[in-house]
Amino acid sequence: DADVTQTPRNRITKTGKRIMLECSQTKGHDRMYWYRQDPGLGLRLIYYSFDVKDINKGEISDGYSVSRQAQAKFSLSLESAIPNQTALYFCATSDSASQGGQETQYFGPGTRLLVL
Amino acid sequence: GQNIDQPTEMTATEGAIVQINCTYQTSGFNGLFWYQQHAGEAPTFLSYNVLDGLEEKGRFSSFLSRSKGYSYLLLKELQMKDSASYLCAVRGGIISGNTPLVFGKGTRLSVIA
Repeated sequence: DADVTQTPRNRITKTGKRIMLECSQTKGHDRMYWYRQDPGLGLRLIYYSFDVKDINKGEISDGYSVSRQAQAKFSLSLESAIPNQTALYFCATSDSASQGGQETQYFGPGTRLLVL
Repeated sequence: GQNIDQPTEMTATEGAIVQINCTYQTSGFNGLFWYQQHAGEAPTFLSYNVLDGLEEKGRFSSFLSRSKGYSYLLLKELQMKDSASYLCAVRGGIISGNTPLVFGKGTRLSVIA
């Protein structure tokens, strides 16, 4: 089974709709992240959470919100979707107690979102 | 602010060696990562450097010079399956472990026969 899972894997929605993307992990990591990827722009950080009670804005948080329901779950919501939120969304996790301080980030398989 | 630069695209021949460069400017430094990403798939971890020098892992090696803000990923004996994007990512910050990774835009490598 995959260590980091994302649902749904693909989603088509209309402008103005509220949608939620979900991320779950079985790695036991305390830190979780949401990125979006657009052609030519690379991976950009939306929100991140260092533990259940910690939520931080990333580079491009406007139009998004998140919820850390448990250590293993981190959801991303688009309150009112717009076409320029069409992108590939990745969830990632890391372990703050990583040996040697390396703290590699591990990515889920991604959610492809199309906003019409 | 933080800035990470790498070439947009590169092409190399099967069996050859290719070097992908990355330069960075960050507030603080707590490690540099290279990831591989095939089209439409998740990035996967390749290598990590925190001290100056070369880290070798099979056909892949990564080099870091902190004083120059420079790293490269070296791929030897190229195979067709190495066609992918290669992402350079830096963990900045003053205190180790307190900042997420910042990614460059990636270098798309095409391996040709």
